[in-house]
Amino acid sequence: AQSVTQLDSQVPVFEEAPVELRCNYSSSVSVYLFWYVQYPNQGLQLLLKYLSGSTLVKGINGFEAEFNKSQTSFHLRKPSVHISDTAEYFCAVSYSSASKIIFGSGTRLSIRP
Amino acid sequence: GAVVSQHPSWVICKSGTSVKIECRSLDFQATTMFWYRQFPKQSLMLMATSNEGSKATYEQGVEKDKFLINHASLTLSTLTVTSAHPEDSSFYICSARAPGTGVTDTQYFGPGTRLTVL
Repeated sequence: AQSVTQLDSQVPVFEEAPVELRCNYSSSVSVYLFWYVQYPNQGLQLLLKYLSGSTLVKGINGFEAEFNKSQTSFHLRKPSVHISDTAEYFCAVSYSSASKIIFGSGTRLSIRP
Repeated sequence: GAVVSQHPSWVICKSGTSVKIECRSLDFQATTMFWYRQFPKQSLMLMATSNEGSKATYEQGVEKDKFLINHASLTLSTLTVTSAHPEDSSFYICSARAPGTGVTDTQYFGPGTRLTVL
């Protein structure tokens, strides 16, 4: 079955510390991967996406993610977080055989001053 | 960037009544719109895919007679929750994709509508 797993429901970190949000997906021949962010009381915004090519994808707000096919992972990273990064982050996957996007359960990133 | 709006942002209704939620793409035309449901602290669950001028495609387990979807124009899709019950209380989110694009293109999400059924 097609699925995506976010291992951490909550990740607390101190401001200016690095962070990694984990995401694993069920394997397939080809896959498209996304990270979305949902700020409080707002809709989802696309942070970055992997379609093909370079496995290191850079997104907005200083975030990046690395596609690792052997580990079926697409972890999101930022070297130094800010208070404004406090939000819910969703990993999502789509497969070439379908047009819909499947979302993970989300990781709540909370930044401590 | 592309903007998707939803109206209302929140609604409270009595059990047994029907509620309509609108989803609009404000600055682009969307042949495909999606409706999601999000429970507290949970992920977005796709309910249905709505294509302009045709019937919506519902995901398994979603009652099409209860959640009526209409996509009458390239900028508007509506979700009507019929005979709402407390278990229908949830956060409903729509998204829109521009025409001529496939799965790799960006979906633009609305801010969501919080429905509370008393």
